Amino acid sequence: GAVVSQHPSWVICKSGTSVKIECRSLDFQATTMFWYRQFPKQSLMLMATSNEGSKATYEQGVEKDKFLINHASLTLSTLTVTSAHPEDSSFYICSANRGETEAFFGQGTRLTVV
Amino acid sequence: DAKTTQPTSMDCAEGRAANLPCNHSTISGNEYVYWYRQIHSQGPQYIIHGLKNNETNEMASLIITEDRKSSTLILPHATLRDTAVYYCIVRYIDSWGKLQFGAGTQVVVTP
Repeated sequence: GAVVSQHPSWVICKSGTSVKIECRSLDFQATTMFWYRQFPKQSLMLMATSNEGSKATYEQGVEKDKFLINHASLTLSTLTVTSAHPEDSSFYICSANRGETEAFFGQGTRLTVV
Repeated sequence: DAKTTQPTSMDCAEGRAANLPCNHSTISGNEYVYWYRQIHSQGPQYIIHGLKNNETNEMASLIITEDRKSSTLILPHATLRDTAVYYCIVRYIDSWGKLQFGAGTQVVVTP
């Protein structure tokens, strides 16, 4: 079946540094990918829609200058958390759509900012 | 997209069928019902989806009421590995976009 892969699975970084998370669709092309964030004991919250070859669309309240999204190819989207702070510590998850009815999720990236 | 209502939690005995209800009373005729589950510290896993008819695959069955205002996900023989949060989501057919997750149902399968 289709697979969406995220890298890294977990990362610890120092406050003030930037972290890049990759999301790849391994066996299909995805013109659109989505980035979610999940805090402990909460549901997934959509952060942004990543469109291949164009600017990402951010949900209300998500700082686009802090969460940089690049979708340079049909199989890769990246999320960069810039100047990370402890409150950015969370579980980040991407998803990619295949066709008109299927959405597949990555395994998630646990970010801890110390 | 229409909102969904699910019970907060439910327990199920291993080997028994688990029936997970979902209410989507404001669903429109061009909205699908999707089910995903999330095992702790993993990304959501697709289970099944449907529009009007009941659906079955290797993981589960989806029963949608005739008026489409509610549905039930059935795990025929629950195992310990089925312990997860189960999300019922509706989305428009023509707007293949973001999925809006609610709180879901925490299902605990016990020996």
